[in-house]
Amino acid sequence: AQKITQTQPGMFVQEKEAVTLDCTYDTSDQSYGLFWYKQPSSGEMIFLIYQGSYDEQNATEGRYSLNFQKARKSANLVISASQLGDSAMYFCAMSPYNTDKLIFGTGTRLQVFP
Amino acid sequence: DGGITQSPKYLFRKEGQNVTLSCEQNLNHDAMYWYRQDPGQGLRLIYYSQIVNDFQKGDIAEGYSVSREKKESFPLTVTSAQKNPTAFYLCASRFAADTGELFFGEGSRLTVL
Repeated sequence: AQKITQTQPGMFVQEKEAVTLDCTYDTSDQSYGLFWYKQPSSGEMIFLIYQGSYDEQNATEGRYSLNFQKARKSANLVISASQLGDSAMYFCAMSPYNTDKLIFGTGTRLQVFP
Repeated sequence: DGGITQSPKYLFRKEGQNVTLSCEQNLNHDAMYWYRQDPGQGLRLIYYSQIVNDFQKGDIAEGYSVSREKKESFPLTVTSAQKNPTAFYLCASRFAADTGELFFGEGSRLTVL
């Protein structure tokens, strides 16, 4: 079965520090996409970063980077130089190849403190 | 501006009533989705549609119905058969056959009294 696991229900980080949010996935497909979304308290889902399974380099988008370890089936999100506005829920998601489905994990609540 | 509009943002209904949540997009996306979000459970797929006049059940379709008569519109009806309808509902879209990201609306919060 295809599944996304986020084992950290909550994380705390001090402002300006880096933080890693864990994500592991389970799929027998060779081709798939991995996504991270941010959900502030207002509820909307904001796309952060994407990694394709055949991409050899880790994806980066500004302060966000994805630590992709294919053999371990992990796709951890690294946020550098945390800001107070980074406090939110973070969801990891997977899209198997040639399907229109996106499968989500249960999320990690990140709180950034001054 | 291009985007996805969900309405209403908040909705209250009595048990036994059907209610329809609206989702409209002007991004020219082919695929549209409805997700349900409960605390601690992440997002679960209710229905999705890849083209007009066609849609598929997701993981938790029981008690819900959809239609896709126009490319830009994908309304969700929560029927009285849905046993626990109180939740946050998110509509999303993306280009079909594309591994790109989903674009989401701001969500609709349904409370059954």
